[in-house]
Amino acid sequence: AQSVTQPDIHITVSEGASLELRCNYSYGATPYLFWYVQSPGQGLQLLLKYFSGDTLVQGIKGFEAEFKRSQSSFNLRKPSVHWSDAAEYFCAVGARAAGNKLTFGGGTRVLVKP
Amino acid sequence: EPEVTQTPSHQVTQMGQEVILRCVPISNHLYFYWYRQILGQKVEFLVSFYNNEISEKSEIFDDQFSVERPDGSNFTLKIRSTKLEDSAMYFCARSSGQEAFFGQGTRLTVV
Repeated sequence: AQSVTQPDIHITVSEGASLELRCNYSYGATPYLFWYVQSPGQGLQLLLKYFSGDTLVQGIKGFEAEFKRSQSSFNLRKPSVHWSDAAEYFCAVGARAAGNKLTFGGGTRVLVKP
Repeated sequence: EPEVTQTPSHQVTQMGQEVILRCVPISNHLYFYWYRQILGQKVEFLVSFYNNEISEKSEIFDDQFSVERPDGSNFTLKIRSTKLEDSAMYFCARSSGQEAFFGQGTRLTVV
C-alpha cells in the first residue's frame, strides 16, 4: 500500500527566507509525485508534479521539488518566501497508471512572519 | 488550468437527511473522483469514476454513498442518511491522465 509522510506539521518562516518542506513516500515502485497547496477556505491547487526524467522539477509560484529515489523523498523548496505563501501544503503519491487515486500526506502548515 | 466547479460551497444538513453534492468538470476528462477532508485531517480518497462506472472505492465509501454522472456533465456524490461524522470538506477532482485537478470543495456540516 502506498503512503506519504510529512514529518513537519507546522513550519514558521520569515518573509524572504528560504523554505523546505519534507515529504517521504512508501511505494513499491517509482510513483507519480505531487505537491498541492491549500489556502485557507480554498481548494487544492497543483504546485508541481514529477512523472519521470529530470529529478528537479519546477512548479508555479517559484516552487521546486527534488525527487530522490534513494531516500524515497520529494521535498519542496522555495528560495524566498512571500507572505502569500502562508498556506497548507500537501504531498501526494499516485500509482503509475492513468486514473489512479492519490494518497496524501498529513500536510504541513506554513506560517510566514513579517 | 481547466475549471472544476462544485456546488454548493457550503451545506448544512440535519443528521439523517440525504445530501447531494455536485461537480461540473470539463466533459472531455476521463476520470472523476471524490475526496474528503475532515477538519484538521488529511485528504482521503473516496471513489473514482471512469467510463460511467466506479473504478475504485475506499473502505470509507460504503452503502451510504453513491456517485453518478446523470447527464454526462454533472458528477454527483449522494450521501444518504447523513451522520455527524460525515461533516467534512468534499472535493471533486478530474483527470485526463495522471494529474488531478481539484474543485474548491463543498463544506458539509451535519448538525
